[in-house]
Amino acid sequence: NAGVTQTPKFQVLKTGQSMTLQCAQDMNHNSMYWYRQDPGMGLRLIYYSASEGTTDKGEVPNGYNVSRLNKREFSLRLESAAPSQTSVYFCASGSWGTNTIYFGEGSWLTVV
Amino acid sequence: AQTVTQSQPEMSVQEAETVTLSCTYDTSESDYYLFWYKQPPSRQMILVIRQEAYKQQNATENRFSVNFQKAAKSFSLKISDSQLGDAAMYFCAYRSRENYGGSQGNLIFGKGTKLSVKP
Repeated sequence: NAGVTQTPKFQVLKTGQSMTLQCAQDMNHNSMYWYRQDPGMGLRLIYYSASEGTTDKGEVPNGYNVSRLNKREFSLRLESAAPSQTSVYFCASGSWGTNTIYFGEGSWLTVV
Repeated sequence: AQTVTQSQPEMSVQEAETVTLSCTYDTSESDYYLFWYKQPPSRQMILVIRQEAYKQQNATENRFSVNFQKAAKSFSLKISDSQLGDAAMYFCAYRSRENYGGSQGNLIFGKGTKLSVKP
């Protein structure tokens, strides 16, 4: 079972460049999430999508955009990367039926 | 808004011994889920154990068990017979059971406890 797959796993960007993190889940979950993890901060929610066609801001949405392309895929875009966006990014998915949220393996992003 | 607090940034345990990680949370909701996730150096988030607030019985998963005190809003994790592979960051997390428009089932995390296991 693939579960939640996110790409790329590692990326180095220059300040001002743009990029998109891709995420796909094969568990037929309605909800999908993007988190970032910084040292000493735990995981913080950037954006989420409760269902196909809907997206909403989380705790730290500034500098990011998202697209829920279909039920399986949820992408995160950095339009103009900044060093403050250096972090580990996690995609996750879940449904009310499973009562659990499942995570991808993380994407390490460095902005120089 | 809900909050989760892990007051122990770091803990250490001797191999084969027992260790307890603390977690407290704040909520006005009556029905919710609580989780412990393990994050090894690979950074993968691994679900360790899950507790449903409406169940009074404490959840157990092999060597892992919780002490869920709903009135005190406390949710501690006990690891018995600690193994070297248990060394990791441990995150306590809260998830609302009710489908509020604001959160849509998002996990709210504590800042984590780094567990070291000494051979």
